[in-house]
Amino acid sequence: ILNVEQSPQSLHVQEGDSTNFTCSFPSSNFYALHWYRWETAKSPEALFVMTLNGDEKKKGRISATLNTKEGYSYLYIKGSQPEDSATYLCAFLPSNTGKLIFGQGTTLQVKP
Amino acid sequence: NAGVTQTPKFQVLKTGQSMTLQCAQDMNHEYMSWYRQDPGMGLRLIHYSVGAGITDQGEVPNGYNVSRSTTEDFPLRLLSAAPSQTSVYFCASSRQGFYYEQYFGPGTRLTVT
Repeated sequence: ILNVEQSPQSLHVQEGDSTNFTCSFPSSNFYALHWYRWETAKSPEALFVMTLNGDEKKKGRISATLNTKEGYSYLYIKGSQPEDSATYLCAFLPSNTGKLIFGQGTTLQVKP
Repeated sequence: NAGVTQTPKFQVLKTGQSMTLQCAQDMNHEYMSWYRQDPGMGLRLIHYSVGAGITDQGEVPNGYNVSRSTTEDFPLRLLSAAPSQTSVYFCASSRQGFYYEQYFGPGTRLTVT
């Protein structure tokens, strides 16, 4: 069974703080790694799809890095705002099965 | 574009009843998939389709049937509902497969009593 782990499970930060969280996945059979943002009462929306070791992607104050050799990806949020409060999901796509495996998510709460 | 739509938003069933969760997309996406989301767990793939007429099983297919007669629609059928199927169900579509970003519907919250 392939495991995708996200840590921490939840965190609370103050407005203006920068934060980061981790997605760990198997380092073999890597094909792609997805990040999604999931706001309460909405559906998950894609942030990044990462495919190459060393990839760095950025969208506004949110960025992500990828290390396929050691099996982890970091998501960074610079200067957190209350509207960043959401659950952040990662999903690993192995080349041998071709099906996405989601982590359980990291829930971020940003206090004004 | 409406994107991915799902109906109903909420449903309560009694054990043994059957029902169909509807999913439609207007983006002309080839891939469509169904996930269930349970507390403390990641989204788990139930069934998916790579195009009209072609479906395959995901991680947790037991108790669910699917078919895909058109590009736009991908209904999920529960033939005999069980309390273990209480969950939130999400439909998703993507351009050409799981390699590409997934577009999710708003979800259906199902309770089986």
